[in-house]
Amino acid sequence: GNSVTQMEGPVTLSEEAFLTINCTYTATGYPSLFWYVQYPGEGLQLLLKATKADDKGSNKGFEATYRKETTSFHLEKGSVQVSDSAVYFCALNSGGYQKVTFGIGTKLQVIP
Amino acid sequence: DGGITQSPKYLFRKEGQNVTLSCEQNLNHDAMYWYRQDPGQGLRLIYYSQIVNDFQKGDIAEGYSVSREKKESFPLTVTSAQKNPTAFYLCASSIEKNRDIAAVAQHFGDGTRLSIL
Repeated sequence: GNSVTQMEGPVTLSEEAFLTINCTYTATGYPSLFWYVQYPGEGLQLLLKATKADDKGSNKGFEATYRKETTSFHLEKGSVQVSDSAVYFCALNSGGYQKVTFGIGTKLQVIP
Repeated sequence: DGGITQSPKYLFRKEGQNVTLSCEQNLNHDAMYWYRQDPGQGLRLIYYSQIVNDFQKGDIAEGYSVSREKKESFPLTVTSAQKNPTAFYLCASSIEKNRDIAAVAQHFGDGTRLSIL
């Protein structure tokens, strides 16, 4: 079956540091890949997505590139802010209503 | 503004009691979903519905029930058969008709936290 692997964290960074959160996946076919962000006490919000190999999703300074050869979709940001503190979920959808698979979420803490 | 509204934000259940979590959306989305979120386990799908009057079990449907009488509403009942109901429950929706399903993102409500008294 499909699976998404990401570290649970927490990842603690100082403000303006470079961020990488790794995400690797196992799936049949050609899934779409997503990053969602969850702020404390809230639901998930779509951060970015990529629907085919070599696509780069980007939003609010975050980027991730769909790498089929390494089955990865790592999230990066060049300079994090305290307001980026949240839980980040990697997810894939290989088609069909039951086919969305989420990772366990990575908690990011950014300290001033 | 369009969005998904979940209520209540916090809910407490007594032993042997059924409780119902509300989910309403005004996005005109066809599909709706219920997830359960536990620490260290990510999101697990409880039920989903593609259209009115139709719904399907997800991975952890035991002890839960749903209805979809209106497009906008997808309430979840946590029954007394669910022995470990303490969790954060998230409702989501997405446009499914005439779209590439795999490329469609889901929109989430702000969740309901259910605890046992």
